[in-house]
Amino acid sequence: QVTLKESGPVLVKPTETLTLTCTVSGFSLSNGRTGVSWIRQPPGKALEWLAQILSNDEKSYSTSLKSRLTISKDTSKSQVILIMTNMDPVDTATYYCARDEAYGDSNWFDPWGQGTLVTVSS
Amino acid sequence: SYVLTQPPSVSVAPGQTAKITCGGNRVGRKSVHWYQQKPGQAPVLVVFDDSDRPSGIPARFSGSNSGNTATLTISSVEAGDEADYYCQVWDSSSDHVIFGGGTKLAVL
Repeated sequence: QVTLKESGPVLVKPTETLTLTCTVSGFSLSNGRTGVSWIRQPPGKALEWLAQILSNDEKSYSTSLKSRLTISKDTSKSQVILIMTNMDPVDTATYYCARDEAYGDSNWFDPWGQGTLVTVSS
Repeated sequence: SYVLTQPPSVSVAPGQTAKITCGGNRVGRKSVHWYQQKPGQAPVLVVFDDSDRPSGIPARFSGSNSGNTATLTISSVEAGDEADYYCQVWDSSSDHVIFGGGTKLAVL
């Protein structure tokens, strides 16, 4: 059974750096074209993709947030880490990680973690 | 950058067929994936690669994609299908994942 679980702070202050961890089980972070993506969803709003890391360590980032994001993985711990700098109240959202099935010019997310709500407030 | 456009809402009576569209420039040349998100829950993949269903997804969910429009069709709609639905593609020109703005399906 494939599962993903997000962990990290529930509250961060403006200008602080957010570090989120996605712990996966049931699949390897080092095989095939499977990877992990981070996606967020502000309250009442649509999904927004943030970053992707594949098994070969290829990384892709949202253009609008690229300067603030770093994605990495620790294969030995089955973890994917997302770092977002200079947090702002508009970054308040539920942050999801999801298994990323990438094939050629196609990729989809299945399954998703339960999500973690991060609030940015002083 | 590439944009996917979905209607904000679609309403349908139980037992009828719901069609949710996802518009984009030549989206028929891309693989489109669909997610269902119920309130307070994480999204669930219901259709991938335009028309394939993951295991466990009822055959009532189907997809098509041609020209500038991809469509998620839900036949014999049930009250439990009430949710937000999102389409998604990979834009190879920007190495970016693109989501549509989401459609709220209301079962009357």
